[in-house]
Amino acid sequence: GAGVSQSPSNKVTEKGKDVELRCDPISGHTALYWYRQSLGQGLEFLIYFQGNSAPDKSGLPSDRFSAERTGESVSTLTIQRTQQEDSAVYLCASGAGAFQPQHFGDGTRLSIL
Amino acid sequence: TQLLEQSPQFLSIQEGENLTVYCNSSSVFSSLQWYRQEPGEGPVLLVTVVTGGEVKKLKRLTFQFGDARKDSSLHITAAQPGDTGLYLCAGVRTGNQFYFGTGTSLTVIP
Repeated sequence: GAGVSQSPSNKVTEKGKDVELRCDPISGHTALYWYRQSLGQGLEFLIYFQGNSAPDKSGLPSDRFSAERTGESVSTLTIQRTQQEDSAVYLCASGAGAFQPQHFGDGTRLSIL
Repeated sequence: TQLLEQSPQFLSIQEGENLTVYCNSSSVFSSLQWYRQEPGEGPVLLVTVVTGGEVKKLKRLTFQFGDARKDSSLHITAAQPGDTGLYLCAGVRTGNQFYFGTGTSLTVIP
């Protein structure tokens, strides 16, 4: 399809393991965002990419979280040494440019045992 | 502290009733968006408002941006079960910073 694609859709892992979440934005969208959402709650901003650079990393909760984007396309969010409080739905969104509305993927539901 | 506070946080109403959801801030935004999210899916954009005092209508949904561009409201007329979902407002400030509201979970009972 032409929408934002995230993988995996679900991930269950043990505490202490590293996880990598992937986001394929809509082709041509220069802006890419990562958010975290706890059950039924609002969105917690994590990081924003414009092209391949990340002008705003202010939302990353700790140094265990990192993200990169290559080719102005795919982005990966990596969480090292996962903790139980990392359990949440991780949402990715892309936009056509600055100030443009965001198109969201369906998220990755991460569960840390 | 959230930059955008939504109220109410939870709302359960009967089919056919009217409702209003509020999105408030002490900050000024260049534009404001409303999204609806259904379980297991990502939020979907409903509308963008950019001018203070602007009113937009989308079928039974009416969106208003405050004159000072600090707040917004969403009014639904004759709610239907298909309106059930999590409603999120999001304000845009300079630097392409999006701030999402705390969310309003709406349940419309048939």
